[in-house]
Amino acid sequence: AQSVTQLGSHVSVSEGALVLLRCNYSSSVPPYLFWYVQYPNQGLQLLLKYTSAATLVKGINGFEAEFKKSETSFHLTKPSAHMSDAAEYFCAVTRLGAGGTSYGKLTFGQGTILTVHP
Amino acid sequence: EAQVTQNPRYLITVTGKKLTVTCSQNMNHEYMSWYRQDPGLGLRQIYYSMNVEVTDKGDVPEGYKVSRKEKRNFPLILESPSPNQTSLYFCASRPRQGPYNEQFFGPGTRLTVL
Repeated sequence: AQSVTQLGSHVSVSEGALVLLRCNYSSSVPPYLFWYVQYPNQGLQLLLKYTSAATLVKGINGFEAEFKKSETSFHLTKPSAHMSDAAEYFCAVTRLGAGGTSYGKLTFGQGTILTVHP
Repeated sequence: EAQVTQNPRYLITVTGKKLTVTCSQNMNHEYMSWYRQDPGLGLRQIYYSMNVEVTDKGDVPEGYKVSRKEKRNFPLILESPSPNQTSLYFCASRPRQGPYNEQFFGPGTRLTVL
């Protein structure tokens, strides 16, 4: 079984401040991890993904995330928040299916709403 | 433009009145999936399809049906909608090979069941 926990349903930062959104996963096999962003009234857009090639993953819009196996974490960061970063962010995990199949069900966390203040 | 489309985008209906939400993708993807999004619960998978005529239940399939007669289309059917199916629904698709491949999401369908 796999699961994702996002700590903090709401995070508020000032413009220019560090953004840190927390994600912890549980998976019995090596996971693939994703961060998606959802802007108001829109679908989900991929920010970045971890596929075991490198533990520090850089994504779009200046975001990055670091995979830490010892902590089972995949926290999302951005050095300096911008007003346009205000959105809901979802961490998700998937893995190979039984027998190495490519089923890859995505399991999402509860989401974190990021608010950016001027 | 590569995309996943859903229709309708907004729907208000009454309990028991059958409805269908359509989903179509133009990327020739084998894998398609339906999710519902509820506050505080994130997205939960309803049904998925690995290819034409191959579908299976996700985490919350009760009250829903799907079909996959064509590769590009994956409609979601609510035979007898109930108020607890009021939610935001997303369709997604990706190439079959590689679970690490990005899933592409549609714009969402906001359903209200009175």
